[in-house]
Amino acid sequence: AQRVTQPEKLLSVFKGAPVELKCNYSYSGSPELFWYVQYSRQRLQLLLRHISRESIKGFTADLNKGETSFHLKKPFAQEEDSAMYYCALRVAFTGGGNKLTFGTGTQLKVEL
Amino acid sequence: GAVVSQHPSWVICKSGTSVKIECRSLDFQATTMFWYRQFPKQSLMLMATSNEGSKATYEQGVEKDKFLINHASLTLSTLTVTSAHPEDSSFYICSARDPMNYEQYFGPGTRLTVT
Repeated sequence: AQRVTQPEKLLSVFKGAPVELKCNYSYSGSPELFWYVQYSRQRLQLLLRHISRESIKGFTADLNKGETSFHLKKPFAQEEDSAMYYCALRVAFTGGGNKLTFGTGTQLKVEL
Repeated sequence: GAVVSQHPSWVICKSGTSVKIECRSLDFQATTMFWYRQFPKQSLMLMATSNEGSKATYEQGVEKDKFLINHASLTLSTLTVTSAHPEDSSFYICSARDPMNYEQYFGPGTRLTVT
């Protein structure tokens, strides 16, 4: 069965410092990975997906199949980055559907 | 971006009663919606996949008779918690998948408290 692991429940960094939120996955098939973000009192929203290979709000994430990782990085943290971040793996199942499996989340706190 | 709404945003009910939560996709038609449950400071756990016009697919360990899902139209899915008990108290979140881009959009969640 698929699994997503985010080892850090809380990550605290100073403003301007680099950020790396760790995510590891286990899945025997070809993975589709995502990062979702939930700001305080807001709904969950997609931050980025590995197939897009894009930078959103300064964040990037590279899929490393050898290490089965999809760490989220930002070179200089901003106060507004403080939020809960979830790594998610999308898998297809028989019948043509698919579903997301979420990690436990990492609370990022950017301090001044 | 696409918007998904949930109603109510919070509800308090007595033990033994049933509660219905609505999930609507406001500007797109969703053949597939998902229902999640989130405990405090924990991850989202998928409860079931709701398919328009057919039966929902429940995850292992989720009682289908306890959590009734109806997806009667392309913009509405409902979750009914039947004979609610205090242990059903939780944050319930729905999401809808836009068939145009395959992206899932999440609702704001419903806080259920069973007394």
